[in-house]
Amino acid sequence: QKEVEQDPGPLSVPEGAIVSLNCTYSNSAFQYFMWYRQYSRKGPELLMYTYSSGNKEDGRFTAQVDKSSKYISLFIRDSQPSDSATYLCAMTQGAQKLVFGQGTRLTINP
Amino acid sequence: DTEVTQTPKHLVMGMTNKKSLKCEQHMGHRAMYWYKQKAKKPPELMFVYSYEKLSINESVPSRFSPECPNSSLLNLHLHALQPEDSALYLCASSPSGGKNTEAFFGQGTRLTVV
Repeated sequence: QKEVEQDPGPLSVPEGAIVSLNCTYSNSAFQYFMWYRQYSRKGPELLMYTYSSGNKEDGRFTAQVDKSSKYISLFIRDSQPSDSATYLCAMTQGAQKLVFGQGTRLTINP
Repeated sequence: DTEVTQTPKHLVMGMTNKKSLKCEQHMGHRAMYWYKQKAKKPPELMFVYSYEKLSINESVPSRFSPECPNSSLLNLHLHALQPEDSALYLCASSPSGGKNTEAFFGQGTRLTVV
């Protein structure tokens, strides 16, 4: 079993839809949770960073962490074609090593 | 400024060549990382430097040799690579030398070994 599980998709939704991306994990020691967006042939861009359980909102993006269920989510509201990318969840127990999910390929159709 | 700059953007090298990848950040971060990413896969950690000292080597072959000349610069020296080493090489940095949090990535060097 992988430490972090993420559905690779692909996921295709119409413009304006609410997108929900999710990861589950098995290591209860993870404390720091990140979401990265990666466009084709580019480096990952940090979108959201959260510590422990709870919600964090930044513009159209909301990150949720539920440590009791070992489940994290990223919601994208009013999705735009420019949001089409691969979304990677990542987490760490604070020990310098990020553990990534497989990434979900998302396409927003105009 | 959350920029990590990597050069070159693209590199083609033969199996007998020696080349270097460079990475620079001016955010005052004390931890810097090299990752390797194959197509449609997540990044894989190669090396971590914390306060300019190598703290993690993920059993990377010796044909990859990292160097951290100062707190802003990170190099990856390449020698006698194999075609399977072709990948996107990513540099990242994070504020604290003790914890990998809020890691910021560069745009990567796309390496092709022929």
